[in-house]
Parts: sequence; C-alpha cells; structure tokens
Amino acid sequence: NAGVTQTPKFRILKIGQSMTLQCAQDMNHNYMYWYRQDPGMGLKLIYYSVGAGITDKGEVPNGYNVSRSTTEDFPLRLELAAPSQTSVYFCASSYFGANTEAFFGQGTRLTVV
Amino acid sequence: TQLLEQSPQFLSIQEGENLTVYCNSSSVFSSLQWYRQEPGEGPVLLVTVVTGGEVKKLKRLTFQFGDARKDSSLHITAAQPGDTGLYLCAGAEDSNYQLIWGAGTKLIIKP
Repeated sequence: NAGVTQTPKFRILKIGQSMTLQCAQDMNHNYMYWYRQDPGMGLKLIYYSVGAGITDKGEVPNGYNVSRSTTEDFPLRLELAAPSQTSVYFCASSYFGANTEAFFGQGTRLTVV
Repeated sequence: TQLLEQSPQFLSIQEGENLTVYCNSSSVFSSLQWYRQEPGEGPVLLVTVVTGGEVKKLKRLTFQFGDARKDSSLHITAAQPGDTGLYLCAGAEDSNYQLIWGAGTKLIIKP
C-alpha cells in the first residue's frame, strides 16, 4: 500500500521563487494536513482540509496556499519563497479527524537560499 | 493557544536503563497519541490513549493517560539502541480537527 506519497523529497529554491509540494493519499481519508518541522522541533500545522473543496488555516499559514479538489490530493503552494520557509514539510491524512491515527508521508526537505 | 509541554527535550542513556518522557498541558484532551519518528521519515503512531487513568503496554513501552486527561507519560524499560528516535505526543480536543503537538523528545540509546 502506498499510503501518503509526497513529492519531491528534496528541493532548493531561490528567494522569491515559487513551487508546489505534492501530496497524495490512497486510503480514502477525508482529513489531510500540512505540517512543517524545523530542526529539533515538533510539528506546526500550516493548513488542513476536512474534505474535498474545504480547507482551513492552521497555526502558521502565512506564505502558503492549499487546494483540495479531490479526496486524494492536497498540494501545498509556496509563493515568493523566503529563507524562513526552509524546513521539512510533512503531509498527513486521517480517516476521521484528530482522534484517529494520522498517517504521514516521508517529507519534503526544502531549502530556500 | 493550547500548549502541550514535553520533557525532557533530549535524553541520552545507556542500553538497559529505564526512562520516562512526560507530556503536560492545562487543556483536557479527548485522546492523546504518541508517535515515534526516525531520521528522514514521517512520524508513526505508537499508541492512542483515550480514558483517564488508562495504561497501555507495547512490549517494553508503557503509556499512561492522566486521570484528568491533561497529561501523559511514556516509560521505556531496559532501553535498547533500536528505541533511538524522536518521540512526539499529540493531544486531540473534542471540538477541534487539529492535533496539539508537543515539541518532541530526542532519545539516544547508546550500546
């Protein structure tokens, strides 16, 4: 089973460039999340979605955008990359919200120079 | 902003020793999850505790949920090098779709 798939695994961006981090899950989960994890830190929620067509801001949404046109896909868009966005980004999904197990992708390591 | 304070942040011990990791909050959680994360990977769920006072065991790992559902602990008996990793706790509130995450405990078990 594929679970949650994130692409790319690594990326270097120049300041001001834009990119989209891809996330797809094949478990038919309604809930999907984007987190960032800075070195030695826990996870900070960027955006989440409770179903196709519905998205909402998390703790640190500035500089990011998301869309959820299908149940499977939840891309994260970075506009005008800044050094502060250097981080590891994780996509996760769960069947029914915070009380159910979250399944994570392997992460995207992004460096903005 | 709800907080989930996790301690210690870092722990390095010898193989065979015991250790306890704590997660504390002023918020009441409907459930609390413990995850383990290895380098270059996403977190993987170890256990979910739901009932106040609940104790769950996973081989040498014992998880406890506080009676008031505001805190939790993870105890590892006779730690082994394979236990090395980042341990994260995360609390769920009834009215929220989001998990509240602790900052993590980086655990190193030396052979």
